[in-house]
Amino acid sequence: KNQVEQSPQSLIILEGKNCTLQCNYTVSPFSNLRWYKQDTGRGPVSLTIMTFSENTKSNGRYTATLDADTKQSSLHITASQLSDSASYICVVSGRVGGYNKLIFGAGTRLAVHP
Amino acid sequence: DSGVTQTPKHLITATGQRVTLRCSPRSGDLSVYWYQQSLDQGLQFLIQYYNGEERAKGNILERFSAQQFPDLHSELNLSSLELGDSALYFCASSVAPAGTYEQYFGPGTRLTVT
Repeated sequence: KNQVEQSPQSLIILEGKNCTLQCNYTVSPFSNLRWYKQDTGRGPVSLTIMTFSENTKSNGRYTATLDADTKQSSLHITASQLSDSASYICVVSGRVGGYNKLIFGAGTRLAVHP
Repeated sequence: DSGVTQTPKHLITATGQRVTLRCSPRSGDLSVYWYQQSLDQGLQFLIQYYNGEERAKGNILERFSAQQFPDLHSELNLSSLELGDSALYFCASSVAPAGTYEQYFGPGTRLTVT
């Protein structure tokens, strides 16, 4: 079964600290992996997209890594800011039923406290 | 601003009623996706259209239907509404069906069924 699992479910950190969010997937065949940031009540915004040949990709203070062999990805946030408080969603694109299909993780809810 | 527009922003209606949510994709995007997000839940993929044709189906109820028109805007019709249908409904668009193409989300329509 194609699945995307994220951990932790929620996380609280202090402003200025770093954190790492995890994503494990069983989607096969795999096309690409995306990380989205979703502020409460708003639409998700893309942070990174990585294909199987990419190991790491950065977007400002956000760095995503991908290990296609172990089917694991992580999102590292450096020097967190209060505005980083949001849900972070891992999405894997795989070939399902002849089409590329996006499979969403449940998300990690991050709270950054002053 | 992602360039994807959704109307209305908020909708309050009674059980048993029927509503239509509207989405206009970004200029040039041919693919439209609909998602449902209940309170504190992850995004649930409902249905995808590409250039007017249904491309993929997710967890969409039989009471729900959608279509994409020749001008590429899309409508999601929800009928015989139940309390459990209260949720945020997001539309997203991409240039082509999800592969390595970026997916842009609209601001969402918040549906409240009373």
